[in-house]
Amino acid sequence: GAVVSQHPSWVICKSGTSVKIECRSLDFQATTMFWYRQFPKQSLMLMATSNEGSKATYEQGVEKDKFLINHASLTLSTLTVTSAHPEDSSFYICSVSRGTYEQYFGPGTRLTVT
Amino acid sequence: DQQVKQNSPSLSVQEGRISILNCDYTNSMFDYFLWYKKYPAEGPTFLISISSIKDKNEDGRFTVFLNKSAKHLSLHIVPSQPGDSAVYFCAASKGGANNLFFGTGTRLTVIP
Repeated sequence: GAVVSQHPSWVICKSGTSVKIECRSLDFQATTMFWYRQFPKQSLMLMATSNEGSKATYEQGVEKDKFLINHASLTLSTLTVTSAHPEDSSFYICSVSRGTYEQYFGPGTRLTVT
Repeated sequence: DQQVKQNSPSLSVQEGRISILNCDYTNSMFDYFLWYKKYPAEGPTFLISISSIKDKNEDGRFTVFLNKSAKHLSLHIVPSQPGDSAVYFCAASKGGANNLFFGTGTRLTVIP
């Protein structure tokens, strides 16, 4: 498996502010990380694929200027929600891939925008 | 368009009995299928997987069955335990881990 951490585990922010979420691969170097979001009672939706040293690949419908992803090292990827709105309130989860089909997920970050 | 579907949002089973969670998919290009278990406010935990070249994979109390002609897979848990109570997601992949499509999840409750 793989050990993945996220920080913070939950955050409350005001509309218009920006929030940064960190995802760390603790026990191996991850060239690829993924960011998902999950709304209540819905499935996990892939937002973007984060590649170390290069630009992230965003899924259709995800605003790259709003959800800034930086994968600066093999153990850290960050997701910054810029100018947050209440509709951005969601559960954000990152995962890492070890080159096989399985993805290993972090514990998630609950974002509430007031 | 939801390519992976879990039509039962919830399932309740008595402790010791078998739990059967179902999943259907529409894309015949999927070549790998996975089941994840998720507790509230936590990330999903990988449970078991199966390649499209197999029709069954077993790991302890968990068995996944794949019926490619019906585009259907199922997860069997036997015997079910109260600690199995969680939301179970099936996921499908084509051509590698980058494209992981999740179902909407089934909440399993195992009654002691």
